[in-house]
Amino acid sequence: AQRVTQPEKLLSVFKGAPVELKCNYSYSGSPELFWYVQYSRQRLQLLLRHISRESIKGFTADLNKGETSFHLKKPFAQEEDSAMYYCALSGGGGTSYGKLTFGQGTILTVHP
Amino acid sequence: NAGVTQTPKFRVLKTGQSMTLLCAQDMNHEYMYWYRQDPGMGLRLIHYSVGEGTTAKGEVPDGYNVSRLKKQNFLLGLESAAPSQTSVYFCASSPRGAGGGETQYFGPGTRLLVL
Repeated sequence: AQRVTQPEKLLSVFKGAPVELKCNYSYSGSPELFWYVQYSRQRLQLLLRHISRESIKGFTADLNKGETSFHLKKPFAQEEDSAMYYCALSGGGGTSYGKLTFGQGTILTVHP
Repeated sequence: NAGVTQTPKFRVLKTGQSMTLLCAQDMNHEYMYWYRQDPGMGLRLIHYSVGEGTTAKGEVPDGYNVSRLKKQNFLLGLESAAPSQTSVYFCASSPRGAGGGETQYFGPGTRLLVL
């Protein structure tokens, strides 16, 4: 069975401070990992995915297979980063059909 | 493109009533999904479809039924609503899902309150 754990329900930082949202997973195969974000009054949208190795809005996330983690990081948080963040896992391969297993979510609040 | 749309946006039901939530996408996506979002539990997959005429169970399918008669539409039905089904329901679609990091595109959500 696959599982995604986000240990922090709430995370508060001040503007300009570094931020790290933690995500740990369990999966026996080769997973695809994603971060989705939901800003206030907006729909859930993809922030980034590990296979793209990209930086979006200053956020990066590295897949650490040894520690089974996919933490989301940003060196200098901005107020507009305040949102709900979900880590998600897809089993990959031909039979996963893109189904996502989501973590519990972390509400990030960036104070001025 | 409207993307993924959901109808209705909000609904109040009494226990035992039935209703259907409609999801529509105009992106010609093969795969569609229904999730429910509950505090502290994230999003959980209810049912999904890998193409017109197909449906499959997700993580929490009990109490729900689905149909995909047309490629662009994915309906979620509650035959006899229960208070435990009070939640926010999200529909999503993706062009394909066989790995490769395909993005899921989400609708705006439907808030359902069952009294």
